[in-house]
Amino acid sequence: AQKITQTQPGMFVQEKEAVTLDCTYDTSDPSYGLFWYKQPSSGEMIFLIYQGSYDQQNATEGRYSLNFQKARKSANLVISASQLGDSAMYFCAMRRSYGSSNTGKLIFGQGTTLQVKP
Amino acid sequence: DAGITQSPRYKITETGRQVTLMCHQTWSHSYMFWYRQDLGHGLRLIYYSAAADITDKGEVPDGYVVSRSKTENFPLTLESATRSQTSVYFCASSKREYNEQFFGPGTRLTVL
Repeated sequence: AQKITQTQPGMFVQEKEAVTLDCTYDTSDPSYGLFWYKQPSSGEMIFLIYQGSYDQQNATEGRYSLNFQKARKSANLVISASQLGDSAMYFCAMRRSYGSSNTGKLIFGQGTTLQVKP
Repeated sequence: DAGITQSPRYKITETGRQVTLMCHQTWSHSYMFWYRQDLGHGLRLIYYSAAADITDKGEVPDGYVVSRSKTENFPLTLESATRSQTSVYFCASSKREYNEQFFGPGTRLTVL
């Protein structure tokens, strides 16, 4: 069965420092996608970054980067130069390989709450 | 550019009543999804749709019904609401099956 695990329920980081949010996944699919979403206190879900299982390079989007270690089945989110506005809950999610009957479905982890201290 | 909207944003209903949550997207995305978010469970997929008139069950479909007669709309109906369906419901859409999903603002549903 596919599963996403986020082992850090809550984390603190000092403003302007970098922080890593952990995500491990379990799948037997050869092809899959990994996503990170941000949910601020206002409740909306904001897409941050995507990594395909066959992508050779780690994904980056501005201050967000994804540390993808396929052999370890981990897809950690790194936020550089944290800002107060980064305080939110962060969800890791996995999409099953397209072409299967489960195409497009996302499986979410339980989330990590990040608090940025001034 | 409205994107993806949900209505109502807040709803209080009673056990046994039928409730319909609306979802509308303006991007003409093929795929649409309904999730519920509960403490301790994260987000779980209820139903999804690959195109108009094509829907399929997700992880927690019991007690819910969906339809998709038009590409832009994907309503979710609770046929007979139960207290366990108290949750925050998110609608999402994606252009293709493998693209990122964009989420609506959510509907907070309370069943008394």
